[in-house]
Amino acid sequence: DQQVKQNSPSLSVQEGRISILNCDYTNSMFDYFLWYKKYPAEGPTFLISISSIKDKNEDGRFTVFLNKSAKHLSLHIVPSQPGDSAVYFCAASATGGFKTIFGAGTRLFVKA
Amino acid sequence: NAGVTQTPKFRILKIGQSMTLQCTQDMNHNYMYWYRQDPGMGLKLIYYSVGAGITDKGEVPNGYNVSRSTTEDFPLRLELAAPSQTSVYFCASSFSLAGKRRNEQFFGPGTRLTVL
Repeated sequence: DQQVKQNSPSLSVQEGRISILNCDYTNSMFDYFLWYKKYPAEGPTFLISISSIKDKNEDGRFTVFLNKSAKHLSLHIVPSQPGDSAVYFCAASATGGFKTIFGAGTRLFVKA
Repeated sequence: NAGVTQTPKFRILKIGQSMTLQCTQDMNHNYMYWYRQDPGMGLKLIYYSVGAGITDKGEVPNGYNVSRSTTEDFPLRLELAAPSQTSVYFCASSFSLAGKRRNEQFFGPGTRLTVL
């Protein structure tokens, strides 16, 4: 029972274009969502987050959008750079809960 | 700050052997976690701890044990290694107030374990 789903295992984008990574969740109790980035042979690192009271959060080239009614969030990277090539994990948690649930990840390739 | 450190980086075990994966954080975080990542899969929570002396099971605890005697250390013990435990193991920590939203987790570099 996957509560957090990333349906695209991989995505290839040209340098300078927009990368859009998608994530769907099923648990309506989730109220905090995070994106992590992972390079090979390293642990995941936190990228950006969004609370359910917002529908958008920006940090430089990274923007996360949240659509609560659709239980869907997306990460936009503009402009994409070759150094953005990594695996991106979507994660969700509920206030008062102890666990964060991770999606399976999307591998992003940014071509120079 | 070193952040979250894990040892060893790699290990090969024979079936039935035991080992302890070490995890230490120097950020004074109250929460600590152990995850495993299998190929093509997300991170699955094995055990977590909300403070020294307090641990609880995650999604996939079978075959593992943990202890948390100090704020800094959170070792993961495999008692009877099985091929199904071949995976990459990540330790993480975070700081959160009780009943409040969970903050972002800081991860160690991982331990790649193979059981043959």
